[in-house]
Amino acid sequence: QQPVQSPQAVILREGEDAVINCSSSKALYSVHWYRQKHGEAPVFLMILLKGGEQKGHEKISASFNEKKQQSSLYLTASQLSYSGTYFCGTGSASKIIFGSGTRLSIRP
Amino acid sequence: KAGVTQTPRYLIKTRGQQVTLSCSPISGHRSVSWYQQTPGQGLQFLFEYFSETQRNKGNFPGRFSGRQFSNSRSEMNVSTLELGDSALYLCASSLGGGTPNTEAFFGQGTRLTVV
Repeated sequence: QQPVQSPQAVILREGEDAVINCSSSKALYSVHWYRQKHGEAPVFLMILLKGGEQKGHEKISASFNEKKQQSSLYLTASQLSYSGTYFCGTGSASKIIFGSGTRLSIRP
Repeated sequence: KAGVTQTPRYLIKTRGQQVTLSCSPISGHRSVSWYQQTPGQGLQFLFEYFSETQRNKGNFPGRFSGRQFSNSRSEMNVSTLELGDSALYLCASSLGGGTPNTEAFFGQGTRLTVV
């Protein structure tokens, strides 16, 4: 079952913060975050595992609430390079199911 | 090291035809997953292969099939193409294992247009 992302789209000015949410109706083992720029392949940002382990880039932060089956991605002091579509994916049984994405636009 | 390579990058086919797409994973990666991406639908999971075995399959009709070879390269085939099959097909490779707890690397995709 596809996780639900919110918001579907957000427009920010450079320097502003954003939060992207991801929720699932199924118990989560892991949550995966990727960013895709227009015309490019999705690029890994972070994995959050059940039990609290996180693997990812230093400038990206995220939370994972196992009880609520939710994850949030925090983008602080946004830069133009943050623009793109962000996908969360839920991992179980060797597959990752992605949400429909959140389109983030950053304006100078 | 070389990334994930998908061929061809672009393809135009006629309704009713069949098509085969190829994906070469990163060296050492044994898991290959395929996704279909259409505007507004995100990344729809097709199937996942590990060591030549299909471990998972998404909710797609039987016209979509795949396989993985002993060198971990994978192919996906779509038979009897329909207009709605027009999409970007992405493959992702990872080290694999029982659960998806490692980074997956995506290829640039194959843009399939069915006319």
